[in-house]
Amino acid sequence: NAGVTQTPKFQVLKTGQSMTLQCAQDMNHNSMYWYRQDPGMGLRLIYYSASEGTTDKGEVPNGYNVSRLNKREFSLRLESAAPSQTSVYFCASRRGQGDTEAFFGQGTRLTVV
Amino acid sequence: DQQVKQNSPSLSVQEGRISILNCDYTNSMFDYFLWYKKYPAEGPTFLISISSIKDKNEDGRFTVFLNKSAKHLSLHIVPSQPGDSAVYFCAASFPSGTYKYIFGTGTRLKVLA
Repeated sequence: NAGVTQTPKFQVLKTGQSMTLQCAQDMNHNSMYWYRQDPGMGLRLIYYSASEGTTDKGEVPNGYNVSRLNKREFSLRLESAAPSQTSVYFCASRRGQGDTEAFFGQGTRLTVV
Repeated sequence: DQQVKQNSPSLSVQEGRISILNCDYTNSMFDYFLWYKKYPAEGPTFLISISSIKDKNEDGRFTVFLNKSAKHLSLHIVPSQPGDSAVYFCAASFPSGTYKYIFGTGTRLKVLA
C-alpha cells in the first residue's frame, strides 16, 4: 500500500526554469493538497483540490499552478522558478472534509539557484 | 496572517516526564483540530485529533485538550520517550463546505535520555 507518492524526491533548478512536481495517491481520497515547509514558517498551504476537477488557492499560491488530472493525481507546476521557492514541498490527501486526517507523501526538496 | 500559531519553536524534556506542546488559533470557524508528528526527511503523520464539541481526547500516552474560549489547544505526552523527539504540528480544519486545512509553525520536541 503506497499511500501518497511524490516525485521527484530532490531537484535543483536554475532561476527561471520550470518544472512539475507529481503526486499520486492510491487511497481513493477525494481531497488533495500541496504544502511547502520552510524554517520557522511551518507548513503553508499552496493549493488544494476538494475533488476531481476542482482546485482552490491556499495561503501562498503566487508563482504556482496546479492540475487535478484525475482522482489519483494532483500536480504542482512552477512556471518560472525563483530562489524564494526553495523549500520542501509536501503533497497530502484526505478522504473528505471536516473530521478526517491527511496522509502525506515523503516530500520533494527543491533548491532554486 | 497566521491563523494557527505555535509560539514555542522548541522544547526539551527529560525522558519519563510530561511534554506539553501548545497551539493557539484565531479563527473561531475552525471545528476540528489535529496534531501531526514529523521526523526528518519524512512527511508528517497523524497523531491525535479533537472535535470542537469536546474539550479532551486521549489516546494512550497522548492527550489533547481544547479550550475554545481561549482558542487554545495543547498536546500532552506522558511519559515522554526518546522516540517522541520530532517536530509537532497542530492543524485546524473548517466545517463542511470548505476543505481548507491549516497548519501551525511547528514545535521541535527533544526528549533527553
